[in-house]
Amino acid sequence: GAGVSQSPSNKVTEKGKDVELRCDPISGHTALYWYRQSLGQGLEFLIYFQGNSAPDKSGLPSDRFSAERTGGSVSTLTIQRTQQEDSAVYLCASSSSPGAQGREQYFGPGTRLTVT
Amino acid sequence: AQKVTQAQTEISVVEKEDVTLDCVYETRDTTYYLFWYKQPPSGELVFLIRRNSFDEQNEISGRYSWNFQKSTSSFNFTITASQVVDSAVYFCALRSNSGNTPLVFGKGTRLSVIA
Repeated sequence: GAGVSQSPSNKVTEKGKDVELRCDPISGHTALYWYRQSLGQGLEFLIYFQGNSAPDKSGLPSDRFSAERTGGSVSTLTIQRTQQEDSAVYLCASSSSPGAQGREQYFGPGTRLTVT
Repeated sequence: AQKVTQAQTEISVVEKEDVTLDCVYETRDTTYYLFWYKQPPSGELVFLIRRNSFDEQNEISGRYSWNFQKSTSSFNFTITASQVVDSAVYFCALRSNSGNTPLVFGKGTRLSVIA
């Protein structure tokens, strides 16, 4: 079946502009996660959605970052007033179970964001 | 706080050699899950294995094997008879069984297998 998809695959933007990154999870997966992978920082958790519950935003690095998930499926990560330190690969993952703690997460190919 | 340490930043081996990737974790939880993911040059993270803290049996899958030692908080990964296609960055990760906690990843180990 189809895996997690993300768009765009690459995004180059000028400092100060807003960007939107999209994630389409695996059909039927109730949990959706955003991570960021940058040089020297490894993989960092950003935000987590589980069903209709309030998202866990504890990993968002600043209030310039926000995310929403519409209809329990597609998610959009928005970065406002981008800064050069936002340059990274943004990875989305989804997981199948309401008791998601133990379930493996399946990752998308990522969006490589470059802020110039 | 949870933490995963992969002390080996980069490893280089010659094809057909065995190689072990180390992973040490810290958690106060009594129940937790451990994972290994592979990230090949294409960039996509590929799930390899999940192990829960109740199950200390070692696991073998083809050329891959995992050694979970709760006493030393380690979950090491061995590739037997390495191949060039094994070249990738390998991540160890930890997840609590309490609350909606995300995966906590190690920094990764870059494995290069040379023909």
